[in-house]
Amino acid sequence: NAGVTQTPKFQVLKTGQSMTLQCAQDMNHEYMSWYRQDPGMGLRLIHYSVGAGITDQGEVPNGYNVSRSTTEDFPLRLLSAAPSQTSVYFCASSRSGSAPFFGQGTRLTVV
Amino acid sequence: TQLLEQSPQFLSIQEGENLTVYCNSSSVFSSLQWYRQEPGEGPVLLVTVVTGGEVKKLKRLTFQFGDARKDSSLHITAAQPGDTGLYLCAGTNTGNQFYFGTGTSLTVIP
Repeated sequence: NAGVTQTPKFQVLKTGQSMTLQCAQDMNHEYMSWYRQDPGMGLRLIHYSVGAGITDQGEVPNGYNVSRSTTEDFPLRLLSAAPSQTSVYFCASSRSGSAPFFGQGTRLTVV
Repeated sequence: TQLLEQSPQFLSIQEGENLTVYCNSSSVFSSLQWYRQEPGEGPVLLVTVVTGGEVKKLKRLTFQFGDARKDSSLHITAAQPGDTGLYLCAGTNTGNQFYFGTGTSLTVIP
């Protein structure tokens, strides 16, 4: 039972570098989303998708891009990493109207 | 803007004690969720409540949704060390955007 798989689990970037956080789900869920978790702030929604080819912005989208070419995959791209993007990133998926099911997270440090 | 406020932020209790965690908002939600998160892991869903005034029990955990669907509480009876973790509430109105609370970090001391 893979569920939601995120790679990598840990990453260190230099300011200005770009990278893609990968997320894949094998539950055939329509909805996928990306959150960041920072101390004392809970989880904040970055971007979400209600189906292949459809994406929308959440609460904190600046500095991040997403695409959804397939139902299974929802990568998150950082075009030019900044120290403020140091965080733990969680990908989640769900059926319509159901609560999100989370991956194990990617811990990103930008130096 | 934080739509959901949780209290307390930190809680440290002895094994066997009871505790209540609160999740409050000025917004009405169509449903509210409670998650538990352990270090290095993603949040795991405990329960969803959808009806104002609804009470759900999960073994020693009791969840209540406020009558006005703006707040919720989680009560743990006879806490055990295995209950240690970060408890998060989340609410939605659209079914695809979920707003999370600030979290309550619970430590149960053996």
